[in-house]
Amino acid sequence: KAGVTQTPRYLIKTRGQQVTLSCSPISGHRSVSWYQQTPGQGLQFLFEYFSETQRNKGNFPGRFSGRQFSNSRSEMNVSTLELGDSALYLCASSLDIPKVYEQYFGPGTRLTVT
Amino acid sequence: AQSVTQLGSHVSVSEGALVLLRCNYSSSVPPYLFWYVQYPNQGLQLLLKYTSAATLVKGINGFEAEFKKSETSFHLTKPSAHMSDAAEYFCAVSEGRGQGGKLIFGQGTELSVKP
Repeated sequence: KAGVTQTPRYLIKTRGQQVTLSCSPISGHRSVSWYQQTPGQGLQFLFEYFSETQRNKGNFPGRFSGRQFSNSRSEMNVSTLELGDSALYLCASSLDIPKVYEQYFGPGTRLTVT
Repeated sequence: AQSVTQLGSHVSVSEGALVLLRCNYSSSVPPYLFWYVQYPNQGLQLLLKYTSAATLVKGINGFEAEFKKSETSFHLTKPSAHMSDAAEYFCAVSEGRGQGGKLIFGQGTELSVKP
């Protein structure tokens, strides 16, 4: 079974621009979560989508948004990029079965904002 | 609110020595606990998970962890370190029950293995 895939793997953007990152979950997984990883703040939860609905949200500004499609694929968007948005963005998918809840992570998208 | 504390941002052991990575959690409900490993320029790989079954959990690559409710701990151990174990390790907690997709991570512990 194919793992979680994320595209693109690397991205360089300029401050003020916007960016869209894509995540394809493991086949059959309906939950997709997004995380931001930086050296200073570590791994921080952005949001989770389940059956096309945002189910959980972290403490990030409204510039960070996401969505999920009917095939469970998900995208996240960051508008008006700031230098501090430079990070590794990780996507994870899960079957979301009670007492399991294990998440499988993709390789990440490395975003650099200049 | 949930939180995770990993004691020691960097741990160094000799090849063949015991690996012990410490994790303490805070949760208002019975938690689900996880250990993940991250190799350079890669995503996170699940090592093992605790989901209220056995308190001693065995994972991949010879790692195991013991859930101790009284100590709110979930330390990761491996009896004999291998060079390939050098990586960053993250402990994470989830409340499950509809919050399963939200993991709270510790700051990570970088493990170095000396020959």
